[in-house]
Amino acid sequence: DVKVTQSSRYLVKRTGEKVFLECVQDMDHENMFWYRQDPGLGLRLIYFSYDVKMKEKGDIPEGYSVSREKKERFSLILESASTNQTSMYLCASISPDVTEAFFGQGTRLTVV
Amino acid sequence: GENVEQHPSTLSVQEGDSAVIKCTYSDSASNYFPWYKQELGKRPQLIIDIRSNVGEKKDQRIAVTLNKTAKHFSLHITETQPEDSAVYFCAASMTNFGNEKLTFGTGTRLTIIP
Repeated sequence: DVKVTQSSRYLVKRTGEKVFLECVQDMDHENMFWYRQDPGLGLRLIYFSYDVKMKEKGDIPEGYSVSREKKERFSLILESASTNQTSMYLCASISPDVTEAFFGQGTRLTVV
Repeated sequence: GENVEQHPSTLSVQEGDSAVIKCTYSDSASNYFPWYKQELGKRPQLIIDIRSNVGEKKDQRIAVTLNKTAKHFSLHITETQPEDSAVYFCAASMTNFGNEKLTFGTGTRLTIIP
């Protein structure tokens, strides 16, 4: 079974803090993604990566950056957290030949 | 880029009845259309998918249909059961040998009434 693990299930951060969300997958997948899930808005793509040190902007990259130093790890960084970044964040990895997305358990981030 | 619209946003059906969720996509180059189910408090999981060279696919009580000309696809659940209650997401992708990017719809919250 593919396992995608996010470092935290719940996080509470203060406005202006730098926040790191970590995601690790154990199936040697090249493609990894960060989505944000909000009620009524579905899953919106923030950033994705096709390979180590590669990154591509998704649909809503503003206020976020990413890091992929190793194939199995994809980090989402909120440079200066704001209250409108309070949300559920989902990491996913996708195998090119399978195309199925395997999601992490999600991190519910609250910015106060 | 790709845009996926999904309707309805909420759907309630009596147990045993059928449920239909519809999605439209904008990019005619998209060729892969998966459906994900997210139960309360859990991660989304793939339940069925269809590729553009196929018009319909079935898996027990679940079926997906695709109309490439109209650029829409639908999820059909027959003989609904309480465990079908969840949020369902459609998605579209252009598979490109390693450059897959899934664009999701806004989700449908399906409630099965016992």
